[in-house]
Amino acid sequence: RKEVEQDPGPFNVPEGATVAFNCTYSNSASQSFFWYRQDCRKEPKLLMSVYSSGNEDGRFTAQLNRASQYISLLIRDSKLSDSATYLCVVSVYSSASKIIFGSGTRLSIRP
Amino acid sequence: EAQVTQNPRYLITVTGKKLTVTCSQNMNHEYMSWYRQDPGLGLRQIYYSMNVEVTDKGDVPEGYKVSRKEKRNFPLILESPSPNQTSLYFCASSGGGTQPQHFGDGTRLSIL
Repeated sequence: RKEVEQDPGPFNVPEGATVAFNCTYSNSASQSFFWYRQDCRKEPKLLMSVYSSGNEDGRFTAQLNRASQYISLLIRDSKLSDSATYLCVVSVYSSASKIIFGSGTRLSIRP
Repeated sequence: EAQVTQNPRYLITVTGKKLTVTCSQNMNHEYMSWYRQDPGLGLRQIYYSMNVEVTDKGDVPEGYKVSRKEKRNFPLILESPSPNQTSLYFCASSGGGTQPQHFGDGTRLSIL
């Protein structure tokens, strides 16, 4: 079983739709959680950190459920420019630091 | 401007010819890391460094070396490249192991 799992998609939704992704992680010692966005052949860019209380940034909402070990990303009123791959990232820090990326979920927004 | 700079951006080379991919950051970050990205496998960590002279293996360290002699630089060395190291490589840095990472633009390596 992968340490961080995401549905690879692709999700193909119309502009204006609401879309949600989930990501599950297996290490209960995981401490930090992030969503990154990656456009084709480009570097990943931080979309938002994910906090225990949940957090929102404009049209984007991230949630963390430690009991069930998953994080989610909700995109409301999707735009064409939201088309990208969304990467779930989990960080575990003890005596060493381990950062694990999910394989990503591809999102395509159609006009 | 805060940035992570990788060089070269593209390289085609042959099996066995030693190469180095440089990575430099100007944010005074302690944590630096190298990843490779392959289709269907996502980003996998090769090596990371939590500070100067402190490096550790990630998930796929075989065939790679790194060094961290100064805080800003973290070069990736392929002593004897092989075709299975053909990939897209990213360097990243952050203020700590649990902080968000800033990525370089990537280096596309082709080993023939």
